[in-house]
Amino acid sequence: DTGVSQDPRHKITKRGQNVTFRCDPISEHNRLYWYRQTLGQGPEFLTYFQNEAQLEKSRLLSNRFSAERPKGSFSTLEIQRTEQGDSAMYLCASSFRGENTEAFFGQGTRLTVV
Amino acid sequence: GQQVMQIPQYQHVQEGEDFTTYCNSSTTLSNIQWYKQRPGGHPVFLIQLVKSGEVKKQKRLTFQFGEAKKNSSLHITATQTTDVGTYFCAGRDNNDYKLSFGAGTTVTVRA
Repeated sequence: DTGVSQDPRHKITKRGQNVTFRCDPISEHNRLYWYRQTLGQGPEFLTYFQNEAQLEKSRLLSNRFSAERPKGSFSTLEIQRTEQGDSAMYLCASSFRGENTEAFFGQGTRLTVV
Repeated sequence: GQQVMQIPQYQHVQEGEDFTTYCNSSTTLSNIQWYKQRPGGHPVFLIQLVKSGEVKKQKRLTFQFGEAKKNSSLHITATQTTDVGTYFCAGRDNNDYKLSFGAGTTVTVRA
């Protein structure tokens, strides 16, 4: 499968624990995005990388969230001290560089904080 | 910041009927994309519109970009059960690389 892959698919964690998700984009893509989606809503932008550089981070993102893309390939999203409000589907997407490029989404990681 | 709004939020359609979903942006867009998300799935790219007034068709789906590049519509004719899902529009501002998604229109079809 040469699409965007995310791991794990599901994560249940206790409030206060840290969690880390991984995204492997399509290998030729230099842009990588993280989005969060809750029930009945569209994907909400979290952050964006071009190669290894994190170019934008949503102001909605608290300091508990951090993302890395150390070698410009895979990316990780870490949430520290999880809260129940963090429960959501976390989607990763990748695309080629350029204004008019489509985003390819992974299957997402569903996080449940109990 | 940019806001993208979609109406209606839900669309219940009799099989064979037509319907339209609308997308409006608070700012002028450089392009707009449409995605479909099946229940339990992830968003899948359908199409991109770039030019003012552009119209594109994919079989029974017709996509339109407004003249002012602030709104878009998706029209589906002769709805089928395979059209079930949530349709999202996503816009890019000029000088911005991220896609801002609307809340989507969730379509259900009565056979």
